[in-house]
Amino acid sequence: AQSVTQPDIHITVSEGASLELRCNYSYGATPYLFWYVQSPGQGLQLLLKYFSGDTLVQGIKGFEAEFKRSQSSFNLRKPSVHWSDAAEYFCAVAETDSWGKLQFGAGTQVVVTP
Amino acid sequence: ETGVTQSPTHLIKTRGQQVTLRCSSQSGHNTVSWYQQALGQGPQFIFQYYREEENGRGNFPPRFSGLQFPNYSSELNVNALELDDSALYLCASSLNHNEQFFGPGTRLTVL
Repeated sequence: AQSVTQPDIHITVSEGASLELRCNYSYGATPYLFWYVQSPGQGLQLLLKYFSGDTLVQGIKGFEAEFKRSQSSFNLRKPSVHWSDAAEYFCAVAETDSWGKLQFGAGTQVVVTP
Repeated sequence: ETGVTQSPTHLIKTRGQQVTLRCSSQSGHNTVSWYQQALGQGPQFIFQYYREEENGRGNFPPRFSGLQFPNYSSELNVNALELDDSALYLCASSLNHNEQFFGPGTRLTVL
């Protein structure tokens, strides 16, 4: 069965420290891959996406993600976290012919401490 | 440019009742997708409408139904509400299956 796994439910990071959020997927073929962020009272905002090509993808707000086919992973990173990065982060996948039908992971809650 | 809007913001219903949630697409968008996000979980795909026709459905029972209007706004209807229907309902619009833009959601509580 197709699945998206975010192993970390909750991560606490100090402001200025680096952040890495993990995402693993199980699909028949390489799907489209996405990272979204959700702040309280806000809708989901797309941080970045991977369709094909360069496996290191740059997104908004200083985030990047690396696609590793051999590990079926698409981990999100940020070199230096700001207090405003505190939010919930979701990895999502979609089949290549229907990327409007997203399958989301359970999310990782990021807390930023001073 | 107006983003995706949803109404109402919050709603409280009792078991067995029916509810209608509304979504106004971003200007120029012709595709709407609906998602259910239970507390502590990621959003789950309910269905998608493209140019007023249903274009894919997730694993939800028939009591979840929808409509898309000629102006591409959309409704999600849920009949015979159950306690487990309590969730945040998200609408997302896009142009021809491209990047989706999400609304802030409607928080439904079923008592």
